[in-house]
Order: sequence, then structure tokens, then C-alpha cells
Amino acid sequence: AQSVTQLGSHVSVSEGALVLLRCNYSSSVPPYLFWYVQYPNQGLQLLLKYTTGATLVKGINGFEAEFKKSETSFHLTKPSAHMSDAAEYFCAVSEGGSYIPTFGRGTSLIVHP
Amino acid sequence: NAGVTQTPKFRILKIGQSMTLQCTQDMNHNYMYWYRQDPGMGLKLIYYSVGAGITDKGEVPNGYNVSRSTTEDFPLRLELAAPSQTSVYFCASSYSRGLAVQETQYFGPGTRLLVL
Repeated sequence: AQSVTQLGSHVSVSEGALVLLRCNYSSSVPPYLFWYVQYPNQGLQLLLKYTTGATLVKGINGFEAEFKKSETSFHLTKPSAHMSDAAEYFCAVSEGGSYIPTFGRGTSLIVHP
Repeated sequence: NAGVTQTPKFRILKIGQSMTLQCTQDMNHNYMYWYRQDPGMGLKLIYYSVGAGITDKGEVPNGYNVSRSTTEDFPLRLELAAPSQTSVYFCASSYSRGLAVQETQYFGPGTRLLVL
């Protein structure tokens, strides 16, 4: 069975600081992994995804994530936070052959000036 | 393309009333989903559909019903509204090839429902 754990319901950073949002997954088969972002009063939109191939995945708005099989992790990073990055971030996993992704509970990113 | 559209954006219901949340996508996606989002709880899958005429229950289906008569539309029906159904509802769609893992989900803007 697949599952996702996002460590930290809230992460607070200063503008210009490194952003690190943690995601660990459980999957019995090679997973597809996703990060979605939700801005206030909007639906979710895809930031980036890992399916196969290169384990370092680059997404929109300067975000990237690295698939580490040995650590069962898919942490999201951005070198320098911007005020506009303040949002809710969701990690999701989908096992091979499964069309029903499992979402984490979300991490709220707060960016201080 | 408009993507995934949902109506209404906001609705207040009295306990026991019924309503239908509308969802339409224009991307010819075969998979469609309904989620509810409650604070701190992430997304919970209510129902999903793998194609016209085929629907199945998700994690929290009680109190809801769906139908999928066309590829484009996937309405969610609440028959007897209860305060526990106060939530934000999101419709999503995706395209999957055969038994392959589903690809990116595209989400609508959501419907905020308040049951009093």
C-alpha cells in the first residue's frame, strides 16, 4: 500500500533563505511522485513530478526535488524563498499500475520579509 | 482550453437539503476525481471515475453520489446535507494509458460548501 508523510505542517523561512519541505513515502513498487502547490483560494497545480529516469527533478518557479530510493524521500527545495512562494504544498505518491494517488496532509510555507 | 471548471464557487445549505456540485473538463481526460479538503487533513478522495459510465468509491464516499454519463462531466450529489459535509470540494482530472500509472492531475478552483 502507498502512503505519504509530510514532516511539519508549517515551515517558516525568511525571504531569500533556503526552502526545504520534507516528504517521505511508502510504496511496494516503484512510485511516481508529485509535488503540488495550492495558493490561497485556488485549486492545486503541479510543481514537479518524478516518474522514471533522472532522480533530480526541476519544476516551475525554481523548485526542485530529488528522489532518494534508499531514504524513501522526495524532499522539495528552493535555494532562495520569495514572498510569492507562500502557499500550501502537497506531496503525492502513485504506485505503478495505480491511478489513485495518495496525498500528504500538506505543509504551509510562510515567508517572512 | 478552460481546463477543469467547477460550479458553484460557494454555497450555503441548510441541514437536510440537497445539491449537486458541477464539474466539467475539456481536456478529453478519461479519469476524473472528487476530493474534499478539510484544514490540516489534506485531500480525501470521495469518488472517482475511469471513464464514462464507470464510477467507484474512494476513501470517504458516505453521503455522496456521482454519475459519469459523458467524458466531460462528473457531478457530485449531496442528498441530505449534514454539518460534517462543510468543506472545500475539488474536482480533478487526468489521463492514463491503459494500466500505466496515472499522470498529472489537473484541479478545478474548488467549491466552498457550508452546511448550517
